[in-house]
Amino acid sequence: GENVEQHPSTLSVQEGDSAVIKCTYSDSASNYFPWYKQELGKRPQLIIDIRSNVGEKKDQRIAVTLNKTAKHFSLHITETQPEDSAVYFCAASEGGSYIPTFGRGTSLIVHP
Amino acid sequence: DAMVIQNPRYQVTQFGKPVTLSCSQTLNHNVMYWYQQKSSQAPKLLFHYYDKDFNNEADTPDNFQSRRPNTSFCFLDIRSPGLGDTAMYLCATSSSRGNTEAFFGQGTRLTVV
Repeated sequence: GENVEQHPSTLSVQEGDSAVIKCTYSDSASNYFPWYKQELGKRPQLIIDIRSNVGEKKDQRIAVTLNKTAKHFSLHITETQPEDSAVYFCAASEGGSYIPTFGRGTSLIVHP
Repeated sequence: DAMVIQNPRYQVTQFGKPVTLSCSQTLNHNVMYWYQQKSSQAPKLLFHYYDKDFNNEADTPDNFQSRRPNTSFCFLDIRSPGLGDTAMYLCATSSSRGNTEAFFGQGTRLTVV
């Protein structure tokens, strides 16, 4: 089955800095890579996703990159703000399975 | 406009006393999942339904069961909760057609005392 590794487990940045979270996956058949943000006590919510037919996707301050050869994908947040503080989960799934396998999560702390 | 609704939001139960958590969805998704999330950990898949077909994860305790009477509703039954079952339980839905995102409910925070 799929195995998703996520690093770092904790990331502390100053407001305005950039934050990068990295994930690797094991199943070369995986073709869908969502990122979820979970604020304390709330549900995980999708913030951005990428499919295997593109290498990069951007939505305002958030971008995701995918390297299928290396089986590696990353979340980039620029100009971080205190409200970006949350736990971020990467996930991977492949069309035949449709079930997302989650990474262990990264706790992002943005200091004002 | 909540799309995946879980009840109750908070549940306290005694050790060994059966408890049922419920989930409903308005998305008409054919896949429904139950995840267990303990503090500072990733959601762990317990089981899922693909339409009416039930799929249990290999390491899900026998203590945990589920029912899906129709497309919209799904229940998680814990027959004899132990202290280690204290966790957030998340219900999620997705469509198997097109490999799309999973939509999560707000979760039920279960405390076993």
